[in-house]
Amino acid sequence: KQEVTQIPAALSVPEGENLVLNCSFTDSAIYNLQWFRQDPGKGLTSLLLIQSSQREQTSGRLNASLDKSSGRSTLYIAASQPGDSATYLCAVRPGGGSNYKLTFGKGTLLTVNP
Amino acid sequence: GAGVSQTPSNKVTEKGKYVELRCDPISGHTALYWYRQSLGQGPEFLIYFQGTGAADDSGLPNDRFFAVRPEGSVSTLKIQRTERGDSAVYLCASGLNSYNEQFFGPGTRLTVL
Repeated sequence: KQEVTQIPAALSVPEGENLVLNCSFTDSAIYNLQWFRQDPGKGLTSLLLIQSSQREQTSGRLNASLDKSSGRSTLYIAASQPGDSATYLCAVRPGGGSNYKLTFGKGTLLTVNP
Repeated sequence: GAGVSQTPSNKVTEKGKYVELRCDPISGHTALYWYRQSLGQGPEFLIYFQGTGAADDSGLPNDRFFAVRPEGSVSTLKIQRTERGDSAVYLCASGLNSYNEQFFGPGTRLTVL
């Protein structure tokens, strides 16, 4: 059974810092990996989706990398802003049958202080 | 275009009552999913519809939970005899098909008193 772990569970940084969020998964047979943002009381907003054949994806100040063989992904946020404060969730999609079932980590709660 | 919508946004009910949660997927999306997110946890898969049929309901926790999608568009998640442990955010997602990206709605926060 796939397990997804996110470290740290919570992170507080001053505005302007660069930061890294970590995601690890136990089964490397994945179809893709996705990073989401969740604001309090809200749904999920997709940030970046990395296919299993890709190594990284970039969008603005965000960069996500994927090392499938070691079961790891990182989300790098450059020049953090207070508006980046949210919970960040990592989800993997399996490569075999039932590959529509996303398995999520518990998330990292990020607070960026002005 | 419009995204996935869910109603109500919040639902408070008493233990033992019946509730229905509604999901309107993105137009043209044949795949529809329900997930449940308990406090402090990531979302967990409940059920997947392809068109009108439930292709995989292996995530439903017990027979008090049931979902339908009679016309292949709107879906309703139904919970009978609610228990306090059912309190969670129920998220709906849709995709063009099962291989494409899933787009999530804002969720329904269910509180069972």
